[in-house]
Amino acid sequence: DVVMTQSPLSLPVTLGQPASISCRSSQSLLYSDGNTYLNWFQQRPGQSPRRLIYKASNRDSGVPDRFSGSGSGTDFTLKISRVEAEDVGVYYCMQGTHWPKTFGQGTKVEI
Amino acid sequence: EVQLSESGGDLVQPGGSLRLSCAASGFTFSSYAMNWVRQAPGKGLEWVSTIGVSGGNTNYADSVKGRFTISRDNSKNTLYLQMNSLRGEDTAVYYCTKNYNMDVWGQGTTVTVSS
Repeated sequence: DVVMTQSPLSLPVTLGQPASISCRSSQSLLYSDGNTYLNWFQQRPGQSPRRLIYKASNRDSGVPDRFSGSGSGTDFTLKISRVEAEDVGVYYCMQGTHWPKTFGQGTKVEI
Repeated sequence: EVQLSESGGDLVQPGGSLRLSCAASGFTFSSYAMNWVRQAPGKGLEWVSTIGVSGGNTNYADSVKGRFTISRDNSKNTLYLQMNSLRGEDTAVYYCTKNYNMDVWGQGTTVTVSS
């Protein structure tokens, strides 16, 4: 199975400051169709997860542009350009290239 | 509006069975693969199973293979998860999600396996 390793697991942030989460996979996530199926999800306290980023760098509809995803192969990053209070929660990366689909452990973002 | 609504979660004894349902609306259900993902109390997300558009292509996590069965009824816009031989470690909130890369999530339904 592809192991997804996130760091840090806990991220204290300051409002208005940038934040960054790393996600590394144990195998390349480049699929034979040329796409890289790496997704980022946000789970606010008491809520269901919500997808923020798909195929490593594409922002979902309605997601604020302060969120951005980058990376390729085995090394990926989620960045928040200026943290807002509503960004508190747990962030997960997930690979959809290989079976079984696997998630990272989650990164808890707190003010 | 695209919506997924899970139901069927309950308290069940170890070794028991349960069937979860997920009602879909706001999109052409028959055109998308669907998934079940679970989250144990205080833990992270775990993929459980995926079904293709026609229902003939299914995948399972090793932890549930042989015990859980995913299915769908495209005429009813509903996804199912039949859960047999339940264990304590199956206790979790179960989410249904749309598409191979999970662009939409339901609110979840809680399964508790305990005597």
